[in-house]
Amino acid sequence: DVKVTQSSRYLVKRTGEKVFLECVQDMDHENMFWYRQDPGLGLRLIYFSYDVKMKEKGDIPEGYSVSREKKERFSLILESASTNQTSMYLCASNPIGPLYGYTFGSGTRLTVV
Amino acid sequence: SQKIEQNSEALNIQEGKTATLTCNYTNYSPAYLQWYRQDPGRGPVFLLLIRENEKEKRKERLKVTFDTTLKQSLFHITASQPADSATYLCAFRGSTLGRLYFGRGTQLTVWP
Repeated sequence: DVKVTQSSRYLVKRTGEKVFLECVQDMDHENMFWYRQDPGLGLRLIYFSYDVKMKEKGDIPEGYSVSREKKERFSLILESASTNQTSMYLCASNPIGPLYGYTFGSGTRLTVV
Repeated sequence: SQKIEQNSEALNIQEGKTATLTCNYTNYSPAYLQWYRQDPGRGPVFLLLIRENEKEKRKERLKVTFDTTLKQSLFHITASQPADSATYLCAFRGSTLGRLYFGRGTQLTVWP
């Protein structure tokens, strides 16, 4: 069964900390995505990547960066965590082509205090 | 800008009835539209993809329609069960490098 694995289900960090959220997929997918999901706002795209070392800004990249050094791994970095970054973070991947849905990870519930 | 809307935030129906969820889009003409299911505290799970020339697609008790004239997709669950209770998201593939645009979802509750 194909999998997208996010390193933590729950995370509590302090304001100002640098936070790393890791995502690994075992499907050899080219595309990987980071979303955040907040009540009433739905899924909002932060960053995505189409290949190793490639990245594209989504709709809300401010305060975040990403790294994709290997095809299977896509990391989201909160440079200096703030309370408004408290959210559910979801990683997804899919192969190239229009006929494929996304495979999502289980999510990381991040709380910044 | 491209926009996708799911008309109802919540839908409550009785077990055994057909649930119908609506998804509308504006400012774009997608060639593909997708539906996902999301349970509380979990990531969305891909259910179905429909192409613009398919008009209708079925998978077990699920049926999706795609009306490019109305700019609308309908998602039906027939003979609904309490286990179908979840949030359902629609999404279309945009023009920018294949990224998906998601609606905010409709929370379906099926009561016995």
